[in-house]
Amino acid sequence: DVKVTQSSRYLVKRTGEKVFLECVQDMDHENMFWYRQDPGLGLRLIYFSYDVKMKEKGDIPEGYSVSREKKERFSLILESASTNQTSMYLCASSHKKGLNNEQFFGPGTRLTVL
Amino acid sequence: SQQGEEDPQALSIQEGENATMNCSYKTSINNLQWYRQNSGRGLVHLILIRSNEREKHSGRLRVTLDTSKKSSSLLITASRAADTASYFCATDRWFYSTLTFGKGTMLLVSP
Repeated sequence: DVKVTQSSRYLVKRTGEKVFLECVQDMDHENMFWYRQDPGLGLRLIYFSYDVKMKEKGDIPEGYSVSREKKERFSLILESASTNQTSMYLCASSHKKGLNNEQFFGPGTRLTVL
Repeated sequence: SQQGEEDPQALSIQEGENATMNCSYKTSINNLQWYRQNSGRGLVHLILIRSNEREKHSGRLRVTLDTSKKSSSLLITASRAADTASYFCATDRWFYSTLTFGKGTMLLVSP
């Protein structure tokens, strides 16, 4: 059974803290993605990666960075958390580029920045 | 930039009824996908329809795609309370495997 796991379901951090959100997939997928989901705005792509050590900016990369040192792990980093980064963060993975790019999602991390 | 837009934003029906959700998009696509999200959870892939397909079925789900109108519809037949969820359409960009999601339709199925 395919699985994407995220390190925390709920997280509370203070403004200015450095925050790490971890995502691990066990499907040997090449592609991994980080989204944030906010009411009324839907899912927005933050960063994605096609391969180890490779990263690409999505639609809203400002205030975030990512790391992909191993194929199965994709980390989202908030260098200095701000209240406007309070959101639901969703990680996803997919098998390859091209037409068949069904994405598998993790359960999400609900982050609150105080 | 947002591509798919679902309609309606919210839908409330009784068990046993059919539910229809629509998705419109703006530019050419490779394929269109539908996902479900139960409250506070991750998204689950439901069905993918390619740009050269017009209709696809999966169990109680029926998806249509009209590329001339740049629209798709998701029909859930004989709905159940367990179908209560948000439903999102997603389109891929021509040269990349990233997806652009709509804002979703919230479906409430009452027993």
